[in-house]
Amino acid sequence: GDSVTQTEGLVTLTEGLPVMLNCTYQTIYSNPFLFWYVHYLNESPRLLLKSSTDNKRTEHQGFHATLHKSSSSFHLQKSSAQLSDSALYYCALSDRGQQGTGSKLSFGKGAKLTVSP
Amino acid sequence: NAGVIQTPRHKVTGKGQEATLWCEPISGHSAVFWYRQTIVQGLEFLTYFRNQAPIDDSGMPKERFSAQMPNQSHSTLKIQSTQPQDSAVYLCASSSWGQSNERLFFGHGTKLSVL
Repeated sequence: GDSVTQTEGLVTLTEGLPVMLNCTYQTIYSNPFLFWYVHYLNESPRLLLKSSTDNKRTEHQGFHATLHKSSSSFHLQKSSAQLSDSALYYCALSDRGQQGTGSKLSFGKGAKLTVSP
Repeated sequence: NAGVIQTPRHKVTGKGQEATLWCEPISGHSAVFWYRQTIVQGLEFLTYFRNQAPIDDSGMPKERFSAQMPNQSHSTLKIQSTQPQDSAVYLCASSSWGQSNERLFFGHGTKLSVL
């Protein structure tokens, strides 16, 4: 079945350094949808980025990711970490479901990013 | 729009007791999802409904977990004979149609602690 492997566990960075969280996936579908969700403390998880277009960079809130179907990857990057980026980050893959019945997201195990001064 | 509402925010049960978790999706959303969040496993899919019909419950531990959606405004997740390993944050999410490229809107979750 579909699966996502991402940077997981604790990731600690100093403010101003670049952020790189890796995400690779496995799916039988040739047109997958990939997502990054972010979960800030005391808030609900929310969508950060999504893409289904091969080799096209997508950006939001200073973060960016590019879906590369050739390597089955969708890595999350940011040029300069901020204290406010401290949160849980999940990579997710949408299955295509059965025709007419919708689909669900399969999430990776998550990475807890802590940015310190 | 109040977003996805989950109640209670925290629930403490003794081992062997039953726990019922409630979710009110965003009005007009036809797809409702349940996930379990733990440090070790991350966000694990449990089950989802579309237009109140159960579509996929492949993530549900079959023996003690059950989910229902009796009407379009709420869904429940029931855990019978709770065990310490059931301790987790249970997240409900909804989306407009449940299509592949749609954004999920999550609630704040119910933190279940089984003593």
